[in-house]
Amino acid sequence: DAGITQSPRHKVTETGTPVTLRCHQTENHRYMYWYRQDPGHGLRLIHYSYGVKDTDKGEVSDGYSVSRSKTEDFLLTLESATSSQTSVYFCAISDMATASEQYFGPGTRLTVT
Amino acid sequence: DAKTTQPPSMDCAEGRAANLPCNHSTISGNEYVYWYRQIHSQGPQYIIHGLKNNETNEMASLIITEDRKSSTLILPHATLRDTAVYYCIVRVRFGGSNYKLTFGKGTLLTVNP
Repeated sequence: DAGITQSPRHKVTETGTPVTLRCHQTENHRYMYWYRQDPGHGLRLIHYSYGVKDTDKGEVSDGYSVSRSKTEDFLLTLESATSSQTSVYFCAISDMATASEQYFGPGTRLTVT
Repeated sequence: DAKTTQPPSMDCAEGRAANLPCNHSTISGNEYVYWYRQIHSQGPQYIIHGLKNNETNEMASLIITEDRKSSTLILPHATLRDTAVYYCIVRVRFGGSNYKLTFGKGTLLTVNP
């Protein structure tokens, strides 16, 4: 399995609090992605990164920000969590700009009460 | 954007071949078809991809019709551990030269003993 870890694996937080999820890779892949998965919606891309300090928005980026200060870490921040952000969050990595072969982390289950 | 259509669910007997169909009638000539699967509560896992020739790897075979409007993923000897949601994906271009994988609802394959 590709070396991808996510932390925390589970988190419960209150509405209005900031939350940061971390994705860490040991594969030295250039591209990293954050997805959320909700029943009835499948996986949706939130943000992605194509290099250190290079990030861009995906299809559901409102309410989320990201940062990538080094190759191995990609952080997803919810500035002020809302109940609609309750979801399972997956990080993925790829060494190709074509985004063809992506390797996914184990996921973080976030509950916003 | 090319879209894919898959049956919502399928059953297969353990040890038999599982054949998962996918329609992608609007696929463009230079776009690949990708297959991923997601075992319950885990991150998606890359299986295989192809353009127009049949492909085989240690996990599965991919058969793409000559007109490229449909494909079939074949698991030659399904096991209980192959029970998962299988996603057929056509890569979508966005943001200039970037690509993303759009995960639909997939097919839930249940392998029965």
